[in-house]
Amino acid sequence: EEHLVQSGAEVRKPGESLKISCKGSGQSFTSYWIAWVRQVPGQGLEWVGLISPGGDSRYSPSFEGQVTISGDRSMATAYLQWSSLRASDSGIYYCARRGGGSGNLLDQWGQGTLVTVSS
Amino acid sequence: AIQLTQSPSFLSASVGDRVTITCRASQGIRNALAWYQQKPGKPPQLLIFDASSLESGVPSRFRGSGSGADFTLTINGLRPEDFATYYCQQFETYPQFTFGPGTTVDVK
Repeated sequence: EEHLVQSGAEVRKPGESLKISCKGSGQSFTSYWIAWVRQVPGQGLEWVGLISPGGDSRYSPSFEGQVTISGDRSMATAYLQWSSLRASDSGIYYCARRGGGSGNLLDQWGQGTLVTVSS
Repeated sequence: AIQLTQSPSFLSASVGDRVTITCRASQGIRNALAWYQQKPGKPPQLLIFDASSLESGVPSRFRGSGSGADFTLTINGLRPEDFATYYCQQFETYPQFTFGPGTTVDVK
C-alpha cells in the first residue's frame, strides 16, 4: 500500500523561499498523479494543483504563479515550492495521490506540512 | 470554474441517527464526485468516489448517491467515530478539482 510522508513543519519570513516534499513509499508512486491541497487551520480544503506521472504540472487559478509543483520520480518524491512567501501562504499543505480507474478520487493522503509565514 | 455548495454547513445529530448531507455543483459533473471525512488534526480520508462507489475499508453505513449536479452523502446509523467534517470534491474540470466548503457533524 502506498504511503505518503511529508516533510516537517516550516517557519519562514515573508519574502523567503521554501520547498516542501512528499515522499511515496510504494512502487506504484511513479504511475500516479500527485495533488497538493491547502487548509488554513479552522477552514476548508483548497485545491492547489497537481503533477502528472510524466511531470506535467497544473494549478488552480488561485495558486497559478504563486507556487511550483515538481517531482522526482526516481526518488518517489513530489515537491511544492515558493520563491517569495507571503503571510497569506500560511496553512497546512497536504499531498495526496489521485487514484486509478476513473481518477475521481484522492485515495492516499500525506500527514500534512504546516507552513507558517510571519515576520 | 465549477462551484460546489454543501448543505447544511453544520448539523447536530445523535448516535444512531440517519444523517444526510447534500452537495450541489454549479453545472453538471456527471458522476465525477468524491466524498471525504476529516477529523481534527488529521488529513481527509476518502469515503466515496465516482459519486456512489464505496472506498475499500469504509463501513457500509456510508452511502453516496446522485449524478449531474445534485449529490447526497448518507450515513445510516451514526456512530461516535462519525462526528467529523465532510467534504465533497468534483473531478469534472481538469485541472481545477474544487472542494465543497464542508459540513460539520457534531453531537446534539
